[in-house]
Amino acid sequence: AQSVAQPEDQVNVAEGNPLTVKCTYSVSGNPYLFWYVQYPNRGLQFLLKYITGDNLVKGSYGFEAEFNKSQTSFHLKKPSALVSDSALYFCDVRDQNTGGFKTIFGAGTRLFVKA
Amino acid sequence: ETGVTQSPTHLIKTRGQQVTLRCSSQSGHNTVSWYQQALGQGPQFIFQYYREEENGRGNFPPRFSGLQFPNYSSELNVNALELDDSALYLCASSHRGSSSGANVLTFGAGSRLTVL
Repeated sequence: AQSVAQPEDQVNVAEGNPLTVKCTYSVSGNPYLFWYVQYPNRGLQFLLKYITGDNLVKGSYGFEAEFNKSQTSFHLKKPSALVSDSALYFCDVRDQNTGGFKTIFGAGTRLFVKA
Repeated sequence: ETGVTQSPTHLIKTRGQQVTLRCSSQSGHNTVSWYQQALGQGPQFIFQYYREEENGRGNFPPRFSGLQFPNYSSELNVNALELDDSALYLCASSHRGSSSGANVLTFGAGSRLTVL
């Protein structure tokens, strides 16, 4: 069965420091992997995706993520955090074997960036 | 280019009632998906509509139903409301191309339903 885990409910980081938000997954086939961000009273906004190819994916607002097939992970990273990055982050996994339309979101990780 | 709009933004219902939530897709998008996001949780996939037909469904009972119209707008209907149906309901549109599973979802701000 498909599943997604975001093992940290909350991540705290100082402004200017690097940040990592973790995501691990389980699918039967090859995955499509996405990261979204949610600000208060807003819908989710797309950050980046991995479909195939280069394991390091670059996205919006300076975020990047690395696909690791052996560890079944897709961690979100940013070299230098900003206070404005404080938000709720969701990992989204889709199984290519099922057509990829059924999205499975993690429970979310709240990022706090302190000035 | 307009984004995804949802209505109403907030509503309160009592147990046993029925509710209809509405969603207008982003221009150029032909697929609509609905999600339920309970407090402190990630969005849970309810179903997806493509070409006015249900294209896939998550683990939700039949009292959750939907429609997609020719202009790609959509409705989510929930009958016999239960207290646990209280949540933020999110609509997302996308364009279904050759690699449909890789579509980026554009979300609306959601409709917050409270069931008393």
